[in-house]
Amino acid sequence: DIQMTQSPSSVSASVGDRVTITCRASQGISSWLAWYQQKPGKAPKLLIYAASSLQSGVPSRFSGSGSGTDFTLTISSLQPEDFATYYCQQANSFPALTFGGGTKVEIK
Amino acid sequence: QVQLVQSGSELKKPGASVKVSCKASGYTFTSYAMNWVRQAPGQGLEWMGWINTNTGNPTYAQGFTGRFVFSLDTSVSTAYLQISSLKAEDTAVYYCARDLEGYSSYYFDYWGQGTLVTVSS
Repeated sequence: DIQMTQSPSSVSASVGDRVTITCRASQGISSWLAWYQQKPGKAPKLLIYAASSLQSGVPSRFSGSGSGTDFTLTISSLQPEDFATYYCQQANSFPALTFGGGTKVEIK
Repeated sequence: QVQLVQSGSELKKPGASVKVSCKASGYTFTSYAMNWVRQAPGQGLEWMGWINTNTGNPTYAQGFTGRFVFSLDTSVSTAYLQISSLKAEDTAVYYCARDLEGYSSYYFDYWGQGTLVTVSS
């Protein structure tokens, strides 16, 4: 299976900060990558798919980039509602879809 | 609007079985694959597999064969996850999630609210 490694595992930031989360695949996955946001006790929410396509209804402060093995999720100006855990997911190797371990964005 | 509504929390003893339901509304049920995702307490997300809602054909991820069964009742737009011979390590929240583009994207755009299955003697 393709392993997805996220870094950092947690980040402390303030409202208004620019936050960048990285996801690395153990082998090339082209642009078959999604990002999800999960708040405590809630289901994950799709933010970005195909590495850089913004899901409908998601604020434009979220953006994704990368291809091959290295990907980035950027929040351009962190808002109070953005404090959550973020997961990447590779969609290249069906039926062995895998998620990263998660990155928790906490309030500084 | 698209909604996936799952059945409520379950408390089961080791060795028992459980069946979780996921009722879809707001779209044509048979036009989108349904996925199942597991999240153990305090842990990350694991894709368990999916079911083709048009043919009923399930596909299971490695580690989810044998005791896990996906099924459908298209007459009520509902997908099911059954787990047999429950073990303590099956304790988790189980989510159903719809494929973004039907059967080809392998991204998940709508999710159920999750069903907590607790296995304890």
